[in-house]
Amino acid sequence: EAQVTQNPRYLITVTGKKLTVTCSQNMNHEYMSWYRQDPGLGLRQIYYSMNVEVTDKGDVPEGYKVSRKEKRNFPLILESPSPNQTSLYFCASSLSPQSGLGELFFGEGSRLTVL
Amino acid sequence: AQSVTQLDSQVPVFEEAPVELRCNYSSSVSVYLFWYVQYPNQGLQLLLKYLSGSTLVKGINGFEAEFNKSQTSFHLRKPSVHISDTAEYFCAVRSFMDSNYQLIWGAGTKLIIKP
Repeated sequence: EAQVTQNPRYLITVTGKKLTVTCSQNMNHEYMSWYRQDPGLGLRQIYYSMNVEVTDKGDVPEGYKVSRKEKRNFPLILESPSPNQTSLYFCASSLSPQSGLGELFFGEGSRLTVL
Repeated sequence: AQSVTQLDSQVPVFEEAPVELRCNYSSSVSVYLFWYVQYPNQGLQLLLKYLSGSTLVKGINGFEAEFNKSQTSFHLRKPSVHISDTAEYFCAVRSFMDSNYQLIWGAGTKLIIKP
């Protein structure tokens, strides 16, 4: 089954404790992206990757890191989480978006709480 | 820069009544337009998209949307809603001229179905 898998789905952590949210897709997609969703703000892009070893900042990259060493994986790293990073996070992937046909496939989300 | 406005944060409607969710975008340059749906506690999934051709686009679950270039709108409609349509709906736009091929998202509209 074609899917985007995120882990963990739920996490409560404390300020400053490094954490990684993993994302894996099995569709051989070139493009992957991380979003955060906050009430009233819709989806805001954190980082995206057009292909292996190619990553770029989205609209709200501060406090986050990513890597794309393999095509299928795109982990999101919070080196020193702070309470303002409490949010619902989504990973998404698509075929090359250049054609405009790149429908985004989303994971089920990771709800992060930073105390 | 491109922006997307979803004029209503919530739309309450009785079951079996028609509904319209409004979406306007800012730039008149050529665009690709999308509606995504997020059911409770799930990720987003594509409802429908406009790439070119007929301005009336049909999607899943009986939804349709009409592209209006002169009014820069892409409103979503359904003639008769069901309780299972309870979800949040997001409009998104990708500009032909955006070299990063990024989607610009609206803030979302929650569709509330009243029995």
